[in-house]
Amino acid sequence: EIVLTQSPATLSLSPGERATLSCRASQSVDRFLAWYQQKPGQAPRLLIYGASIRATGIPARFSGSGSGTDFTLTISSLEPDDFAVYYCQHRIDWPLTFGGGTNVEIK
Amino acid sequence: QVQLVESGGGVVQPGRSLRLSCVVSGFTFSMSGFHWVRQAPGKGLNWVSVISYDGSDKSYADSVKGRFTISRDNSKNTLYLQMNSLRAEDTGVYYCAKDGYCSGGKCYAFDYWGQGTLVTVSS
Repeated sequence: EIVLTQSPATLSLSPGERATLSCRASQSVDRFLAWYQQKPGQAPRLLIYGASIRATGIPARFSGSGSGTDFTLTISSLEPDDFAVYYCQHRIDWPLTFGGGTNVEIK
Repeated sequence: QVQLVESGGGVVQPGRSLRLSCVVSGFTFSMSGFHWVRQAPGKGLNWVSVISYDGSDKSYADSVKGRFTISRDNSKNTLYLQMNSLRAEDTGVYYCAKDGYCSGGKCYAFDYWGQGTLVTVSS
């Protein structure tokens, strides 16, 4: 099973600041890595797939990068609506796994 | 628009069974693979199971293998999860999710999710 480790667990930032979230895989997942956003009481929402491709309707301030074992989700300038928990997920093989999540909170 | 609506959750005693359903609308159900993902209270996301577009291929997380069965009825646009021998650690919100952004037989993400149904395993 591929283990995805997200860091930091919590990121305290102010609106307008840049957020940089990390996801590290225990073995290569090539570019089969997706990022999701989840707000309290809601289902997750897909942000990024294929490591760097924005899903339909996702604002340009969200960007993904990386390949192999190291990936980054960047939010260039935080909007109030962006404060949420973010998960990475690999899609290279079964079982699929998610990272433990990064909580982006208002400072 | 694409909608996934789960049902069947509730409170159940350890060792008992429950069947979840996910009714899908807004696109051609039989053309897509589907998954179940669960989330324990206050915790992260955990993948549970997947079924291919025609039901011929299935896979499970080790934690549910032998106890849970995923299935689908393409004539009813419905996905199921039969959960037997339930344990306290199976408690959580269960989401159905659709495979999306597929190319060359490989899918890259879950593009649509249901709102979830809560399963509580407790005596």
